[in-house]
Parts: sequence; structure tokens; C-alpha cells
Amino acid sequence: AQSVTQLGSHVSVSEGALVLLRCNYSSSVPPYLFWYVQYPNQGLQLLLKYTSAATLVKGINGFEAEFKKSETSFHLTKPSAHMSDAAEYFCAVINNYGQNFVFGPGTRLSVLP
Amino acid sequence: DAMVIQNPRYQVTQFGKPVTLSCSQTLNHNVMYWYQQKSSQAPKLLFHYYDKDFNNEADTPDNFQSRRPNTSFCFLDIRSPGLGDAAMYLCATSRDRAGTDTQYFGPGTRLTVL
Repeated sequence: AQSVTQLGSHVSVSEGALVLLRCNYSSSVPPYLFWYVQYPNQGLQLLLKYTSAATLVKGINGFEAEFKKSETSFHLTKPSAHMSDAAEYFCAVINNYGQNFVFGPGTRLSVLP
Repeated sequence: DAMVIQNPRYQVTQFGKPVTLSCSQTLNHNVMYWYQQKSSQAPKLLFHYYDKDFNNEADTPDNFQSRRPNTSFCFLDIRSPGLGDAAMYLCATSRDRAGTDTQYFGPGTRLTVL
């Protein structure tokens, strides 16, 4: 069964600083991996996804993530945080049979002025 | 241009009083999902429809039912809401069930049970 862990339930960065949100996955088959963002009282919006093409994936709003099979990781980064990036971020995994879409517990990102 | 619409955005019901949440989509996607998200937790899949084929998650309580009368609409029925059912309910759609298919989420309905 697939599972996702996200290290750090809450991450705080200063505006303009590097954002790094960690995601590690467990899967018995090659996974597809996703990062979603959720703003308060809203649904989830896709930031980016890995589907076995390029290991470095670029998404919206300046975010990117790198798939590292040897480390079973898919960490999300952004070079310079903006106040509008403050939100909850979820990593999710699905196997390539389209079953078991599983979200990680989420990381709340705070951006300090 | 709203693609996945959920009504109402906020719903208040009484303990034990049946409630129905609504989801509609303009994407003509084959798959529609219902998730439950409790405070400060990840969304948890309740069930999904692949076209007219209903797929229930093993640990979804019988208290939760769903209907999909056509491609565009899907309903979540909670037959006898308990206090523990207070949560955000998210509807999502995808073109197909392949792993590459993105799920598009609606804004959610926040359910309060009094």
C-alpha cells in the first residue's frame, strides 16, 4: 500500500527566503506524486505532479519538486517565499494503476514579513 | 470559470437529521470523488464514481451514501449525522482513473453538526 510522510507539520520562513517542504513516499510500484496547496476554507489546487517523465518538475507559482527514487523523496521548493504562499501543502501519491490516492498529513507554511 | 462547484459552501444540520451535499462539474470528467477533511488533517477518500460505477472505500461508514444521476452531478448523503461527521467535504473530478490524471477540487462544503 502507498503512504506519504511529510516532515514538519508547520514550517515558518521569512519573506524572500528559500521554501523547502519535505515529502517521502512508500510505494511497491512506481508512483505518481503530486503536490497540492490549500488556502483557508478553499479546496485543493494542484501545484505540480511527477508522472515518470523528468525528475525535476516545475509547477505553478514558482514551485518545483525533484523526484529522487534512491531517497524515496519528492521535496517541494521555491527559491523565494512570498506572503501569498502561506497555506497548507499536501503531498499525495497514487500508483500507476490509478488506485489508492493517498494524501500526506500536510505542512502548514507560514511566511513572516 | 468555476469547474467544480459545491453547494452549499456552509451547511449546518442537527444531530441525526439527514443532509445532502451537492457537487457539479463543467469538465465532463468521468470520475467524481468525495473526500472528508477534518480540522488540521489530510483529506480522506470516502468513495468515487467512475462513470456510473460506484466504488466505496473499505472504511467508509454506512452512514455515508452517494448518488450520481448524470455525468455532471454527484451528491453526498449523510443519513444520520453525528458530531464526529463535522468536517469539510471536498468533491473532486478527474478525466480518468489513470495515475497521470489530475484531480480537480471544488471549494468544499463545511458541515457543522449541532
